[in-house]
Formats: sequence, C-alpha cells, structure tokens
Amino acid sequence: SQTIHQWPATLVQPVGSPLSLECTVEGTSNPNLYWYRQAAGRGLQLLFYSVGIGQISSEVPQNLSASRPQDRQFILSSKKLLLSDSGFYLCAWSVSRGAYTEAFFGQGTRLTVV
Amino acid sequence: KNQVEQSPQSLIILEGKNCTLQCNYTVSPFSNLRWYKQDTGRGPVSLTIMTFSENTKSNGRYTATLDADTKQSSLHITASQLSDSASYICVVIPRGGYSSASKIIFGSGTRLSIRP
Repeated sequence: SQTIHQWPATLVQPVGSPLSLECTVEGTSNPNLYWYRQAAGRGLQLLFYSVGIGQISSEVPQNLSASRPQDRQFILSSKKLLLSDSGFYLCAWSVSRGAYTEAFFGQGTRLTVV
Repeated sequence: KNQVEQSPQSLIILEGKNCTLQCNYTVSPFSNLRWYKQDTGRGPVSLTIMTFSENTKSNGRYTATLDADTKQSSLHITASQLSDSASYICVVIPRGGYSSASKIIFGSGTRLSIRP
C-alpha cells in the first residue's frame, strides 16, 4: 500500500543549530515530492518541489535547503536555524496515473526554534 | 497562475448548526479536488476526493460539491460537533505530468470554531 513517513513529529532546536527532517515514501516510484511550511495561523506554503533524484526547485528564498538522495527520500535541512524557521512542516507526494493524480501527505513535524 | 482561494477565512458557529465553506480555483486542467481537515499541529486528514467529472461526494456529516463550469467547490457540514473545530483545506491536484504545472495547490484554509 502507498504511504508516507515523516519524522520526527515534534522538534525543539536552539537558534543556530542544524536541522534535518526526513520524509520517505512507500508503495510507489518516481513520485513528485514536496515540502510545505505552515506558520502559526497561516496556510500551507510550498517550500521545495522535486520531480526526480537530485532535482530540487525552490519556491521561496529562505534559510532552508532540500535534497533528494534517493527516489523516495526527501530531506529538509538547515545549517543554522533562525527563530523564524519555527512552524509546522509537511511532506507530501503525488503520482500521476493517466488522468488521475494521487497524492498523500505526511503527519507533519512541529519545529520550535528557541 | 494556478490558485485556490477559500472563504471565509474563519468561522464561528454554535454546536449543532450547519455551515458551508467555499473554495474557488483557477487550476486547469485538474485531476481531483480534495477537502481536508487539519487539526492544529497535525497532518491533513482527507474528507472527500472528487474527480473533475463528479458533482458531489459525501462522507458522514461532510458533503462536498463541485461545479467545474464555475470552478467552485463547497464543503457542507451538518449538525456540527465540538470536534469539528479545525482548519478545513481545499486542495486541487493538477492533472498529470512532471512539471511545475503539476504541483499540488493548497488553499489557505478556513478556520472553523464550534462553540457549545
């Protein structure tokens, strides 16, 4: 069955520390992968988008980076966290099968930078 | 530019009352339109999924409608319960392909609060 794993669920990190959030997909191949961020009381904002291994598109300038070392693995990173990086991070994937596109979302990671 | 707009931004109703949330989109062509419920700090949970050829889809007290001509969708909640307090997000999945045009498009959501 198709599923997506995202961890950790919650994370508290000090300012200036590095970040690594991981997302893995099961049950499909060659998916589109996404990282979204949701600030408190706001909607989901697309951060990064990937159509294949090593192919990353950045939607907004920021302190974060993304990598896709394997087909079904998507990693969100930062070398030095800022207070403004706090928020809810959501991983998602989509795969098209003819006219129908399937999509799944992870459970999200709540990041608090202190 | 593909967009999804939701209204109202927030809504407060009394327990037991009905409500309707709106979603207008410009995404075309699209594969399917989904309504999700998102509790604070949690991942979205799927309520309904409608393909471009469907007009309505129900899931318990949730009923979604889709008008492909006017590019509008609505989510109707009947007999609201306190546990319905959450954000409701309209998501449009573009049809096919591996390009920037096929990105999942999220609405900004409607924050619904149910008061006893």
